[in-house]
Amino acid sequence: KNQVEQSPQSLIILEGKNCTLQCNYTVSPFSNLRWYKQDTGRGPVSLTIMTFSENTKSNGRYTATLDADTKQSSLHITASQLSDSASYICVVSANNDMRFGAGTRLTVKP
Amino acid sequence: EAQVTQNPRYLITVTGKKLTVTCSQNMNHEYMSWYRQDPGLGLRQIYYSMNVEVTDKGDVPEGYKVSRKEKRNFPLILESPSPNQTSLYFCASRPGRRNQPQHFGDGTRLSIL
Repeated sequence: KNQVEQSPQSLIILEGKNCTLQCNYTVSPFSNLRWYKQDTGRGPVSLTIMTFSENTKSNGRYTATLDADTKQSSLHITASQLSDSASYICVVSANNDMRFGAGTRLTVKP
Repeated sequence: EAQVTQNPRYLITVTGKKLTVTCSQNMNHEYMSWYRQDPGLGLRQIYYSMNVEVTDKGDVPEGYKVSRKEKRNFPLILESPSPNQTSLYFCASRPGRRNQPQHFGDGTRLSIL
């Protein structure tokens, strides 16, 4: 069983709308959680990193939240743009070990 | 420009024909890693290297070899490729400190017939 579960698997929204992607994990002991954006045909690029003591971090229109008690994270995208169409991957680190979620495929339509 | 470069980007080959995928980074990073990405499974680590001449198995090392003779290069070798190694491969690097983000290459799509 994957230790990092992301939902939904895919999502289609209209340009300008907001959306929230979810990440639940069982990785332990927790070190940090990172969200990556992967454009089609490209490698993943880091958006945010959150450690145990942080519960919110923003990067432009992207806001990540972390609840270390319930082992859940979310990535909120505000005022979506066509360029937000990509896969979003949640990665949870524990000491020297990293676990990748399968990703959420987001499509933003005009 | 800081980057991780993989070659080739695409390769179609046949079972049993040895191949090497090269990876080079220009950021003087200590840590380098190889992943494969398959639909519905997410990225899975094949091998990683903490520094020159130091390599370790990841989650799915069977059928792969690596070497780290120089800091900037980390080639992935498939001695006898099989169809189940058909996948999208990514090389990544980061500084030695663990909380630093990994920088990924743009991927190599391998098809083994």
